[in-house]
Amino acid sequence: EAGVAQSPRYKIIEKRQSVAFWCNPISGHATLYWYQQILGQGPKLLIQFQNNGVVDDSQLPKDRFSAERLKGVDSTLKIQPAKLEDSAVYLCASSFGYEQFFGPGTRLTVL
Amino acid sequence: QQPVQSPQAVILREGEDAVINCSSSKALYSVHWYRQKHGEAPVFLMILLKGGEQKGHEKISASFNEKKQQSSLYLTASQLSYSGTYFCGTEGRYSSASKIIFGSGTRLSIRP
Repeated sequence: EAGVAQSPRYKIIEKRQSVAFWCNPISGHATLYWYQQILGQGPKLLIQFQNNGVVDDSQLPKDRFSAERLKGVDSTLKIQPAKLEDSAVYLCASSFGYEQFFGPGTRLTVL
Repeated sequence: QQPVQSPQAVILREGEDAVINCSSSKALYSVHWYRQKHGEAPVFLMILLKGGEQKGHEKISASFNEKKQQSSLYLTASQLSYSGTYFCGTEGRYSSASKIIFGSGTRLSIRP
């Protein structure tokens, strides 16, 4: 069974630039999550989708971050404009039940 | 609202035991445990749903005291492969969605 796919794996941008991350969850998983993990910290939930609807986005900085899940499958997370403090690993996860399956993440460096 | 994990870091020799604690200020519905190896994604270990429930995974087990809003992860006869950062994730009893809030992690290092 294929796991959660994410791209790109690494991204370096300058502050005020835009960036987008892509996630393809495990087939059949209705729930999709985007997490931000800053070095040395636990994953912080940014947004949670159930199929293509948003379940929770209370910690998503909506002035600069946006996310969508097209047709309840793939998802994209966008940052515009990026700030230095956005440097982190962005993890996508999907689930069918309790267990969340994480993708390899995208390491973002904002200079 | 983030659960508090202790200790922040542990160094063990192979074969020794360790306990990692997780406590929350909120009433909990469940506690999830994940392990993340350096440079890799977190991997699910187990979920505990009921007060006082214990579950096991290889030589790793956990307990959940619902009344105290605490969970502990027990690693017995540790192996080199157990190295990594362990995160507990808590789901509030009154959460409208299955939202997990992760702690800051406990870094476990196993020495031969």
